[in-house]
Amino acid sequence: GENVEQHPSTLSVQEGDSAVIKCTYSDSASNYFPWYKQELGKGPQLIIDIRSNVGEKKDQRIAVTLNKTAKHFSLHITETQPEDSAVYFCAASGDSNYQLIWGAGTKLIIKP
Amino acid sequence: DARVTQTPRHKVTEMGQEVTMRCQPILGHNTVFWYRQTMMQGLELLAYFRNRAPLDDSGMPKDRFSAEMPDATLATLKIQPSEPRDSAVYFCASGFFQFEGWNQPQHFGDGTRLSIL
Repeated sequence: GENVEQHPSTLSVQEGDSAVIKCTYSDSASNYFPWYKQELGKGPQLIIDIRSNVGEKKDQRIAVTLNKTAKHFSLHITETQPEDSAVYFCAASGDSNYQLIWGAGTKLIIKP
Repeated sequence: DARVTQTPRHKVTEMGQEVTMRCQPILGHNTVFWYRQTMMQGLELLAYFRNRAPLDDSGMPKDRFSAEMPDATLATLKIQPSEPRDSAVYFCASGFFQFEGWNQPQHFGDGTRLSIL
């Protein structure tokens, strides 16, 4: 079945620097790739998503890139701020159902 | 902003007791998901419904868990009898899925933190 690997498990960056989180997926039929941010005591919140017909998508300081050939996608956060500290999850889904296959999560720490 | 609402937010009970968790999906969403989150297993899909009909509950222990949608505004997840290994955070998510094969975002509630003593 589909498997999603996410790296790193923990990422510590200086405030103002960029952060990059990477995920790889196994099923070449996957066509939808959302990223979620989870703060302590809250549910995951969708921050950006990308479909397989697009290579890159941006929303202010957040961008996602997709390489279908290599089967990996990445989240890029620029000009990091303290409020970016959270756990980030990637996920992938194919066209046969609505199930998301989740990465294990990355704890992002923004150092002041 | 429309939100998924889950109740209760916290539940502590003794082993063997029945637990019921409730979810109000976002109005207009036709698909509801139940997830369980633990440190060891991450996010696990337990079951999901489309237009109130169960589509997949293969992630759920059948002998003690049950999920229903009595109406479009309420989804329930029950555990009977509960066991200490059921301790986790249970999330409900909803989305509007119109076309087969065209995935849409899932919107999560803030979860029910369940502790079974």
